[in-house]
Amino acid sequence: QSVLTQPPSASATPGQRVTIGCSGSSSNVERNVVTWYQQLPGTAPRLLIYSNNERPSGVPDRFSGSKSGTSASLAISGLQSEDEADYYCASWDDSLNGRVFGGGTKLTVL
Amino acid sequence: EVKLVESGGGLVQPGGSLRLSCAASGFTFSIYEMNWVRQAPGKGLEWVAYISDSGTTIYYADSVKGRFTISRDNSKNSLYLQMNSLRAEDTATYYCVREHIEQLVPWGQGTLVTVSS
Repeated sequence: QSVLTQPPSASATPGQRVTIGCSGSSSNVERNVVTWYQQLPGTAPRLLIYSNNERPSGVPDRFSGSKSGTSASLAISGLQSEDEADYYCASWDDSLNGRVFGGGTKLTVL
Repeated sequence: EVKLVESGGGLVQPGGSLRLSCAASGFTFSIYEMNWVRQAPGKGLEWVAYISDSGTTIYYADSVKGRFTISRDNSKNSLYLQMNSLRAEDTATYYCVREHIEQLVPWGQGTLVTVSS
């Protein structure tokens, strides 16, 4: 059981907007920044969103992040077939003294 | 180009040991914090261990505490993970990952560790 809770799956059609949630607690998401990682099939994860809502260079502005209290979310607008991947949220946990990940959300583009 | 290349994975029997290495290039290794993150086959990501730039601060996931040891050699631009008393549940792809202000980037290609008799 992951410390951060994500829905196991999400789906939408091309062009639509989809949101993936990440629920944590006062010891992780509420106190520390949230990052998001994208893992395409058969590849290593890559950084998608950092500091709750910042995009590294090279990440399209279709991807956005937000955080409120103990929850965070990743939104993808103008969905494309190449967005089909697993998405993970992560944060530092002050109680565990370690980094925690969500269980991952498998996004399917219908 | 920033690059992280893991090595040392393989098949090991339960109770055995393995040492993973990660060769870093394309950046000043000695000023970055580093992590090991693993992913069991078909499962999600699990953080394993963290080491500060100087090696003086180290954290472990509870699942590996007392069995795994993270270390680094800044003179060789290398990160290590000594894994002892291996269990079947340690079977995973192990990723070497650089950390910068809470960002894990980039990730290596991973090395597969299989614990089985």
